[in-house]
Amino acid sequence: ILNVEQSPQSLHVQEGDSTNFTCSFPSSNFYALHWYRWETAKSPEALFVMTLNGDEKKKGRISATLNTKEGYSYLYIKGSQPEDSATYLCAFSTNAGKSTFGDGTTLTVKP
Amino acid sequence: NAGVTQTPKFQVLKTGQSMTLQCAQDMNHNSMYWYRQDPGMGLRLIYYSASEGTTDKGEVPNGYNVSRLNKREFSLRLESAAPSQTSVYFCASSEMSRTVFGPGTRLTVT
Repeated sequence: ILNVEQSPQSLHVQEGDSTNFTCSFPSSNFYALHWYRWETAKSPEALFVMTLNGDEKKKGRISATLNTKEGYSYLYIKGSQPEDSATYLCAFSTNAGKSTFGDGTTLTVKP
Repeated sequence: NAGVTQTPKFQVLKTGQSMTLQCAQDMNHNSMYWYRQDPGMGLRLIYYSASEGTTDKGEVPNGYNVSRLNKREFSLRLESAAPSQTSVYFCASSEMSRTVFGPGTRLTVT
């Protein structure tokens, strides 16, 4: 069983704060690292997929980096807003096509 | 293009009853998955199918069976439901770099 770990488990920040969370994953058989945003009562929504060591992706105030050699990825949110409140999941996929998810980081942004 | 569809959306079962959760995708993806989501535990993989005709156990397969009927459909069966199987079940399909989730099935076993 592949182990994907996310930290912290939960995070409470004030509106306007910048924040970041970590996803660590096995460095062997790496194919891609995915970040998802998951709001309560909805399906997970894809944010980023990264495949190359050193990849950096950005969507608005959210960005992510990837280090496949050491097996970690960071997700950054700049100037958090209440609508950013959600659980952020990372998933590691192998070249066999299987994805394994972390338990997620639940972000709460207080107005 | 509906993406991934799941039926039913909600279900209540009594302990010992059986049922099948249906999942279909119209994106011609090879890989399909069944996950369960429980509070504080993220998504846990039950079974997956890397391609039509193949299925493999995930992290929590006990109490479940699956069928990859064709490339489009991947069903999950509970033969004898138990209260511990109360959960939200998500089906997903992927083609290497892109994973799409279904809307989920909320199952309660009393």
